[in-house]
Amino acid sequence: GEDVEQSLFLSVREGDSSVINCTYTDSSSTYLYWYKQEPGAGLQLLTYIFSNMDMKQDQRLTVLLNKKDKHLSLRIADTQTGDSAIYFCAERNQAGTALIFGKGTTLSVSS
Amino acid sequence: GAVVSQHPSWVICKSGTSVKIECRSLDFQATTMFWYRQFPKQSLMLMATSNEGSKATYEQGVEKDKFLINHASLTLSTLTVTSAHPEDSSFYICSARDNVGYTEAFFGQGTRLTVV
Repeated sequence: GEDVEQSLFLSVREGDSSVINCTYTDSSSTYLYWYKQEPGAGLQLLTYIFSNMDMKQDQRLTVLLNKKDKHLSLRIADTQTGDSAIYFCAERNQAGTALIFGKGTTLSVSS
Repeated sequence: GAVVSQHPSWVICKSGTSVKIECRSLDFQATTMFWYRQFPKQSLMLMATSNEGSKATYEQGVEKDKFLINHASLTLSTLTVTSAHPEDSSFYICSARDNVGYTEAFFGQGTRLTVV
């Protein structure tokens, strides 16, 4: 079955870059996603990448995909305290329907 | 971006009662919606896939008689937790996929259910 793994915690200082890593097992994944969840809130779609791409940049966010190693990363440049949240990596499952989520990485940004 | 509205945001109910949670796609049509459950500091676990005009598909281990799903229109799916018990207390989140755009899945803001 599909599995998505993430490190659980990341702590950075304001202004530094944050890199959140994710590995997945399903080689047939077509889309990979990054979501942000603030306390008590739903999930906000940050960005997604199609499996035939290896990089996507959107303002402060850079997504890198290494399909060979099944490794996905999210880089947040100039991290701000408002970026503190839980970040979920997700993949489209084999049936092409529901998303499979990692356990989430809690990003803590200190000033 | 597309908006998915979930209602209520939080609810407290007595053990043994039923609670209905609504998930609406506000500016797009969604043939398929998904219901997830999230325990504190845990990931989202898919409960069921809701299909407009047909029966929902439940994940293994999810009781379909306990968690009733109705997807009566292209913009509304409901999840009813029947005969709720304290162990049903959780954060329930729905998501919907745009029929046209297909790629993205948008999430509601979640419903915090507390059963006392």
